Amino acid sequence: AQSVTQLGSHVSVSEGALVLLRCNYSSSVPPYLFWYVQYPNQGLQLLLKYTSAATLVKGINGFEAEFKKSETSFHLTKPSAHMSDAAEYFCAVTPSNDYKLSFGAGTTVTVRA
Amino acid sequence: DAGVTQSPTHLIKTRGQQVTLRCSPISGHKSVSWYQQVLGQGPQFIFQYYEKEERGRGNFPDRFSARQFPNYSSELNVNALLLGDSALYLCASTGSSYNSPLHFGNGTRLTVT
Repeated sequence: AQSVTQLGSHVSVSEGALVLLRCNYSSSVPPYLFWYVQYPNQGLQLLLKYTSAATLVKGINGFEAEFKKSETSFHLTKPSAHMSDAAEYFCAVTPSNDYKLSFGAGTTVTVRA
Repeated sequence: DAGVTQSPTHLIKTRGQQVTLRCSPISGHKSVSWYQQVLGQGPQFIFQYYEKEERGRGNFPDRFSARQFPNYSSELNVNALLLGDSALYLCASTGSSYNSPLHFGNGTRLTVT
């Protein structure tokens, strides 16, 4: 079975500061890992995905994530937060090419001016 | 191109009633998945359909059913509604090529009173 744990249900950062969202996964097989963002009253938008190519994955809106097998982690970062980054972020895992995603509980990001 | 469209956007039902939610995938996408997102939690996988056949089912009771039509649109049916069925129901579609990402609609907000 596959699962993800997102550490911290709420993160508050100042505009221009580093955004770091933590995700740890468990998987019985090499996983596919994803980060999604959800704005209020909207569906989920894919930020980036890891599919066993490069361990450092670059996504949209300046986000990137690093796959660390030894730590079973896939943390999401953005060097400089913008007000528009305020949203809820979900980490998700699936076994190879299986679209039955297992999502974490989510992390809500607040950006302070 | 239009994204994944879901209807209705909001719905209020009474316990014991039945509900049908509809989803139209992105043009050319043959796979549709349904997820339930309870407030404050990550989405939970309900069903996946590909080429009108069920490819996967999550841990949901038989009150939940779905189908996919020849035009690849899909319906999710929930019978004998319970208060706990109140949630955002998300539909996602994906293309047939390897590593195609899931594209989510904005969801249907179901409230059961």
